[in-house]
Amino acid sequence: EAGVAQSPRYKIIEKRQSVAFWCNPISGHATLYWYQQILGQGPKLLIQFQNNGVVDDSQLPKDRFSAERLKGVDSTLKIQPAKLEDSAVYLCASSFGSTWGETYEQYFGPGTRLTVT
Amino acid sequence: GNSVTQMEGPVTLSEEAFLTINCTYTATGYPSLFWYVQYPGEGLQLLLKATKADDKGSNKGFEATYRKETTSFHLEKGSVQVSDSAVYFCALSNAGGTSYGKLTFGQGTILTVHP
Repeated sequence: EAGVAQSPRYKIIEKRQSVAFWCNPISGHATLYWYQQILGQGPKLLIQFQNNGVVDDSQLPKDRFSAERLKGVDSTLKIQPAKLEDSAVYLCASSFGSTWGETYEQYFGPGTRLTVT
Repeated sequence: GNSVTQMEGPVTLSEEAFLTINCTYTATGYPSLFWYVQYPGEGLQLLLKATKADDKGSNKGFEATYRKETTSFHLEKGSVQVSDSAVYFCALSNAGGTSYGKLTFGQGTILTVHP
């Protein structure tokens, strides 16, 4: 079974530029998550999708970050314009579902390491 | 809100030593608890989990017991190997509430095992 795919693996940009990350979840997984992992910290949820609908985007800085999940499969996370503090690893994860009262394992991709200079 | 606190600072051990990494949590309701591991250059992998009080999760010689009375989920291994060197994250997830499934992570503990 193929795992969660992410690209690119590394990206270096200057502040105020824009950048986009792509994620392809495990086939059949309805729930997709984007996490931000700053160096020395644990991952923090940015946005959660259930199929192509947003479940939680309360921690997403909406003035500069946007995300979409077209057709309930692949997802793209965009930052425009980037700030120095956006330097982090961006992790995509997927799970079979997210149902009230149930816990499903999340599978993580390798992440995209973003450096903003 | 939910939060997870892991023991401070990196841990350095000799091979075959006993390992404990402390984890405590704050959460509403009855969360599920997890330990994730991140090996150098690799993504996060689920190591073990426990979904209710007094459950013990185990995998690859690692164990952790869900202690509701002390809100803890400490990770232990009786004899570590060099290959266990990695970053370990404690995490929780609520099966209910407004954002079920979302993981809340601790800050991570770097483990280095020397031969």
